[in-house]
Amino acid sequence: NAGVTQTPKFQVLKTGQSMTLQCAQDMNHNSMYWYRQDPGMGLRLIYYSASEGTTDKGEVPNGYNVSRLNKREFSLRLESAAPSQTSVYFCASSPAWGGLANEQYFGPGTRLTVT
Amino acid sequence: AQTVTQSQPEMSVQEAETVTLSCTYDTSESDYYLFWYKQPPSRQMILVIRQEAYKQQNATENRFSVNFQKAAKSFSLKISDSQLGDAAMYFCAYRSASAGNMLTFGGGTRLMVKP
Repeated sequence: NAGVTQTPKFQVLKTGQSMTLQCAQDMNHNSMYWYRQDPGMGLRLIYYSASEGTTDKGEVPNGYNVSRLNKREFSLRLESAAPSQTSVYFCASSPAWGGLANEQYFGPGTRLTVT
Repeated sequence: AQTVTQSQPEMSVQEAETVTLSCTYDTSESDYYLFWYKQPPSRQMILVIRQEAYKQQNATENRFSVNFQKAAKSFSLKISDSQLGDAAMYFCAYRSASAGNMLTFGGGTRLMVKP
């Protein structure tokens, strides 16, 4: 099992460019998440998908859109990148939305720089 | 909204000794879960230990244990017999029992282990 995979690992964008970060999990999990991690800070939730076909905003959704393409894949799109979106982006998945045993499994992260 | 605070940006410990990382949180809820995650230089987020707020007994996982003080809203992590591989960023996280699987992270503590 690969677990949670993310592509690309690194990306440099110019201000105003768009891009999509891809995430896939092979654990048959129902719930998926996108976080960002800024220097000196913990992870903050951008968007989540509690189950296939649903998506909801997290703590910091402005400037982002998401798509739950199917049960395995959850993408994050930056329509017009801004320097404030320079960060490390993590995708995660969990078996379900509620309950204690729903540990979140994280991908390796994507380091995005917007110049 | 809940907040999680880690007041120690950096900690250092000698190999084989014990270190305690601090975490406090602010919530008005009575039912919730607390977690410690480890993030080594590889950036992979790894769950170290979890605690249910309704359980008085402190959780332990091998060399890792917590001191959960519900009234004080404190959740510290003790690492015994520290090893070089324990060097990493450590994040404390909070999850409400009624808010699905949304995690709120603290700012992290960088742990250095000296040989």
